Amino acid sequence: AQTVTQSQPEMSVQEAETVTLSCTYDTSENNYYLFWYKQPPSRQMILVIRQEAYKQQNATENRFSVNFQKAAKSFSLKISDSQLGDTAMYFCAFTLRETSGSRLTFGEGTQLTVNP
Amino acid sequence: DAGVIQSPRHEVTEMGQEVTLRCKPISGHNSLFWYRQTMMRGLELLIYFNNNVPIDDSGMPEDRFSAKMPNASFSTLKIQPSEPRDSAVYFCASSLRGGKNIQYFGAGTRLSVL
Repeated sequence: AQTVTQSQPEMSVQEAETVTLSCTYDTSENNYYLFWYKQPPSRQMILVIRQEAYKQQNATENRFSVNFQKAAKSFSLKISDSQLGDTAMYFCAFTLRETSGSRLTFGEGTQLTVNP
Repeated sequence: DAGVIQSPRHEVTEMGQEVTLRCKPISGHNSLFWYRQTMMRGLELLIYFNNNVPIDDSGMPEDRFSAKMPNASFSTLKIQPSEPRDSAVYFCASSLRGGKNIQYFGAGTRLSVL
């Protein structure tokens, strides 16, 4: 079974600064995907970024980037130039790479607050 | 595309009543997932379907919960009878099997059982 752990229940950052959210996972599988989802107060789950485990290159999406360390089973999210709209709960998630579809396993979440 | 559509957005009911949550996946997607979010347990998978067929229902709490997918564009999650501990946000998500394994979520249904 796969597990995902987010050890930071809450974090805060000043607007325009950089913040890093941590995530570790455990699996015996070799082919999988990792995701960060954002859940603002509207409760909508929004995909932030996706990483394929077989790719060594870290994924980036505008101000969002990840530090994927496969051997350490670590998958942190860096948000640069933080904006007030980044305030949300952030979930790290794992899924196996299966053509038949596979469940997402979520971490506990990190509540990020961006202060003006 | 309209995205994943869930209804109702909010549901308040009394203990013992039947509750039906509805989901319309993104057109063309062939995998559909039901998740539940609570403070105590976080986000957990209840059941998922591939091509309208239930694949894994190990997360369904008990016999009071049932889910159906009669066609590719509609799914229901039913709770009968409902209990206060069923109060949660229920999400539906869909994905394209064989694609990038990205699941797109609906806005969720907040269920309150009094």
